[in-house]
Amino acid sequence: QKEVEQNSGPLSVPEGAIASLNCTYSDRGSQSFFWYRQYSGKSPELIMSIYSNGDKEDGRFTAQLNKASQYVSLLIRDSQPSDSATYLCAVRSYNTDKLIFGTGTRLQVFP
Amino acid sequence: EAQVTQNPRYLITVTGKKLTVTCSQNMNHEYMSWYRQDPGLGLRQIYYSMNVEVTDKGDVPEGYKVSRKEKRNFPLILESPSPNQTSLYFCASTRDRRNTEAFFGQGTRLTVV
Repeated sequence: QKEVEQNSGPLSVPEGAIASLNCTYSDRGSQSFFWYRQYSGKSPELIMSIYSNGDKEDGRFTAQLNKASQYVSLLIRDSQPSDSATYLCAVRSYNTDKLIFGTGTRLQVFP
Repeated sequence: EAQVTQNPRYLITVTGKKLTVTCSQNMNHEYMSWYRQDPGLGLRQIYYSMNVEVTDKGDVPEGYKVSRKEKRNFPLILESPSPNQTSLYFCASTRDRRNTEAFFGQGTRLTVV
């Protein structure tokens, strides 16, 4: 089992829809969770971080964390073509301090 | 402006010719890492450093060296590059080891022929 798993996609959604990106992780000791956006050939940029169970909203983005189910998700409301990118889930283990990345989900928002 | 700077952005080299990719951060961060990114494999950590003169292996350290003589700089050294080291490389820094996000450099696309 991979430490951080994401569906590679592509996830295709129409402009204005809600995009839902999912991530599961294997280390129950994980404490910190991050979502990065990466455009093709560019560096990852942080869009959301979440540390406790529940929802965290920032503009059109909502991160959801469920530690019991070892599951973290990212919702993008009112998706725009400019949101088309690969979204990387990253999990930091409390025990090892390592930041482990998933392989990313490619999102395509079509007009 | 807070940033992580990598150089060069693009590099084509031949097998066995030593090269260094530089990384510098201006945020006084303690923790720095090198990653490589390959299709289908995601970001994999090569080496990391928790502070000056403290470095350790990540998940894929073979064929790489690093040094951390100053807090702001963390160069990646390939003593004898091979074609399987052709990849996209990222340097990243975080304020400390825990609960903080990583800031990434612009990336270095390396091709070894």
